Amino acid sequence: EVQLVESGGGLVKPGGSLRLSCAASGFIFSSYSMNWVRQAPGKGLEWVSSTSSSSSYKYYADSVKGRFTISRDNAKNSLFLQMNSLRAEDTAVYYCTRGTTDIFTGYSPSHFDYWGQGTLVTVSS
Amino acid sequence: DIQMTQSPSSLSASVGDRVTITCRASQGISNYLAWYQQKPGKVPKLLIYAASTLESGVPSRFSGSGSGTDFTLTISSLQPEDVATYYCQKYNSALSITFGQGTRLEIK
Repeated sequence: EVQLVESGGGLVKPGGSLRLSCAASGFIFSSYSMNWVRQAPGKGLEWVSSTSSSSSYKYYADSVKGRFTISRDNAKNSLFLQMNSLRAEDTAVYYCTRGTTDIFTGYSPSHFDYWGQGTLVTVSS
Repeated sequence: DIQMTQSPSSLSASVGDRVTITCRASQGISNYLAWYQQKPGKVPKLLIYAASTLESGVPSRFSGSGSGTDFTLTISSLQPEDVATYYCQKYNSALSITFGQGTRLEIK
């Protein structure tokens, strides 16, 4: 069974930093692209960032570019999101999501077939 | 940037009704479109990808169609458990994956 479990959320002051983690299991993590998607309270879904299976390709939404960094550790089946210079508008539930396998065809953006339960990040003074 | 416009933003229908939600892209995106269902307080769930491919385990009353700029999610016979917010997502470009603003579906 595919499982994605996020952790690391919490309350942080504006300008602060936070590192989110996502522990993956039930599939060959190193074969899949992975993504972060967020949802502000009462709002819709917003794509944040994507990484290819080998970390060769990384993409960011304009709203987080230069402040957030996506990374992964395939040996530990883990995905990360380092968030710096946090703003009030970054307050949201952050979901870890699975993309598609890209080891044979190379990276391409995709739909997200599995989602974690999410971790809440609150940016407030 | 390609914009995604979902309509309607909300709708109310009766059990057994045929329900249609549309998503329009400001430029062509081929068939790089997915649909998700998010029930209240729950995690989004993939329903359809590549515009018309039903995700495994999703009831057959859900279907998707379209290509280019105009896409449709159809529920052939609305069930009480279909109360949710539905989102479309375009993924034609790695530089800009975008969700629609959502359609809230309620039972009349």
